[in-house]
Amino acid sequence: GAVVSQHPSWVICKSGTSVKIECRSLDFQATTMFWYRQFPKQSLMLMATSNEGSKATYEQGVEKDKFLINHASLTLSTLTVTSAHPEDSSFYICSARDPKRGVTDTQYFGPGTRLTVL
Amino acid sequence: QKEVEQNSGPLSVPEGAIASLNCTYSDRGSQSFFWYRQYSGKSPELIMFIYSNGDKEDGRFTAQLNKASQYVSLLIRDSQPSDSATYLCAGGFGNEKLTFGTGTRLTIIP
Repeated sequence: GAVVSQHPSWVICKSGTSVKIECRSLDFQATTMFWYRQFPKQSLMLMATSNEGSKATYEQGVEKDKFLINHASLTLSTLTVTSAHPEDSSFYICSARDPKRGVTDTQYFGPGTRLTVL
Repeated sequence: QKEVEQNSGPLSVPEGAIASLNCTYSDRGSQSFFWYRQYSGKSPELIMFIYSNGDKEDGRFTAQLNKASQYVSLLIRDSQPSDSATYLCAGGFGNEKLTFGTGTRLTIIP
C-alpha cells in the first residue's frame, strides 16, 4: 500500500525546452503532494506543497513561474520545469500524504525523476 | 524556526552489530517523527514513524523518542550490508510539511 509513481524516471532535454513530470498516488487519494529537489550528496530541498484543486505553495526562493505545479485530481500532480537550463539538472522527487494511514504527516515518496539539461 | 539535526557521518558499523542513529530537533511542538532510508541514487523510503515517548519496534528497527530531551534515535539490530544507506530523520508539526535533517550516511562493514 501507499505506492507513489513518477514518470518519467529520467529525462534528457535541450536547454530552453520545458519538461513535465507526473506524480501519481496509485492506491490512495492524496489531498496533498510535495515536490522536492535533491542535488548529488545533498539533502532534500522542498520546492512546493501541492493541494488538490488549489494553487501550490512555493518555498522561499523557488520561482513559481519556472516550476509550474498542477494538482488536478486526488491522484495526480504535475511539475513542469519551463525553459530548463543546465543548472536545473537535478533529481526531482515527489511525495504524497495519505491521511488515512499512519499519522497524518506521513509522506510516501515516488521513485524520483532524474533531469539532465544539456 | 523548526530544525532537525543529524550527524552526517559516515558511521561505520561491523556486520551483525547494532547501528545507532541520532537526531535532535528544536521545535517542542513537533508532533511526529519519521525515519527514512535513502540508497544512493534512489528516493527516500519510509522505515517507521513515532509520535509517543518511548520505544517503538518493527523487526530489526527500534525508534526511540524522548520529547523532554528533544531527541529521536533509530537502532538497527543485527546490521546487514544491505542497511548501508543514508538515513533521514524528519519532524512533523501537523501542518503538512516535514522538516528533514541532512541525513546520516551509514556503512555496514562485512
